[in-house]
Order: sequence, then structure tokens, then C-alpha cells
Amino acid sequence: GEDVEQSLFLSVREGDSSVINCTYTDSSSTYLYWYKQEPGAGLQLLTYIFSNMDMKQDQRLTVLLNKKDKHLSLRIADTQTGDSAIYFCAEESGGYNKLIFGAGTRLAVHP
Amino acid sequence: SQTIHQWPATLVQPVGSPLSLECTVEGTSNPNLYWYRQAAGRGLQLLFYSVGIGQISSEVPQNLSASRPQDRQFILSSKKLLLSDSGFYLCAWSIRGNPRNEQFFGPGTRLTVL
Repeated sequence: GEDVEQSLFLSVREGDSSVINCTYTDSSSTYLYWYKQEPGAGLQLLTYIFSNMDMKQDQRLTVLLNKKDKHLSLRIADTQTGDSAIYFCAEESGGYNKLIFGAGTRLAVHP
Repeated sequence: SQTIHQWPATLVQPVGSPLSLECTVEGTSNPNLYWYRQAAGRGLQLLFYSVGIGQISSEVPQNLSASRPQDRQFILSSKKLLLSDSGFYLCAWSIRGNPRNEQFFGPGTRLTVL
């Protein structure tokens, strides 16, 4: 079946790098996504990666994709307090633009 | 530019009362529309999606229903709320036919059923 798994919590010190990991099941996903949810708000697309890529870098964000292991990671360099949020990994599922989301990883950044 | 609205932002309802949450999208046509629920401390659960007016697909059996009376309007309803219906309800839209299945989310409605 379809399932996206993430660790639920990550705590890092301000200025350090954060790495959030995700495993997915649908190898036919053309794109994989990372969304960010700040407290009390909806989700915002943070970044995505095309399935034929191994890595994508966008400023402080680096996405790594290991298709063999169905493993996706999001690295945030120089983590700031404003990065504190819940981060969701998502894979595509079937038609009609359906996405399957993980449970979300709550990132806490402390001084 | 496209925007998505949800209301109300918060709602407290007694068990057994009806529910109507509304979502509207501006600045686009023929969007795919979605309703998700996020229970406390849990991930997103897709409840319904729609690819056109009057076309609703339900993902999980539940106490809720959805309707799409207009192209850019998506309504989530219940005749009688249960305690387990409490949660954060998110509406989202995506561009139909876009190979990149990017979804854009509204601000959400926090529903508390007492």
C-alpha cells in the first residue's frame, strides 16, 4: 500500500544543519515534495525534486533522493529560529493529482 | 495571482450539530480541489477530492460529505458532528493536468466538537 514515513520530532541548535528524513513507497512518483507548516497555518510548498534527479539545491535547502531505497531527505543549512515548523514529505499517488503525505516532522530550533 | 480562502477560521460546535465549511479559489479555472483533515499530532488525511463541478471522490468512509456547486467552490459538510470530527481542516487546489502535482493550501479551519 501507499505509505510515507517520517520521524516525528527533530531538535537542533540555531546555526547547525537540520536533516529531515522520509521513506516512501510509490516508485512511480514523478515528483516528491517537501511542504512546511507553520503553527496554526496551512501548508506551503518548500521544494520538490524530479524523480530522475539525485539532488536538488535551493539556497539553504538541499534535497537528496535515493530511488533504490525510496528515501528522501531535506537538509536545511544554518538553521534559524524561523525554520521551526512541521515539515511534510509527500509522494504522488495515482491520478487526479493526489498526494500522500507523511505524518510530518516537527523541527524545533533552540539557541 | 491565485488565492484560496477558507472560512470560518475557527469553529466550536456541539456534538450532533451540523457543519458547513467553505473553500473558494480565485484566479484560476478548473482546479482540482481537495479537503484534508489534520488531527492533533497526526499527519494529513485526504478526505475528498474533486476534478470538476459535481464530481466528488471520497477517500475514507466517514461522517462527512463534500460538494462542489461551482467551479471554484468546495464545501465540506456534516449532518451530525461527532467528537472524532475535531481537527484542523485544510482545503487545497492544484492545476488540472499539471504534471507536477503541486498543491496550494488554504489557511485552514480549526474545528472543535464538544
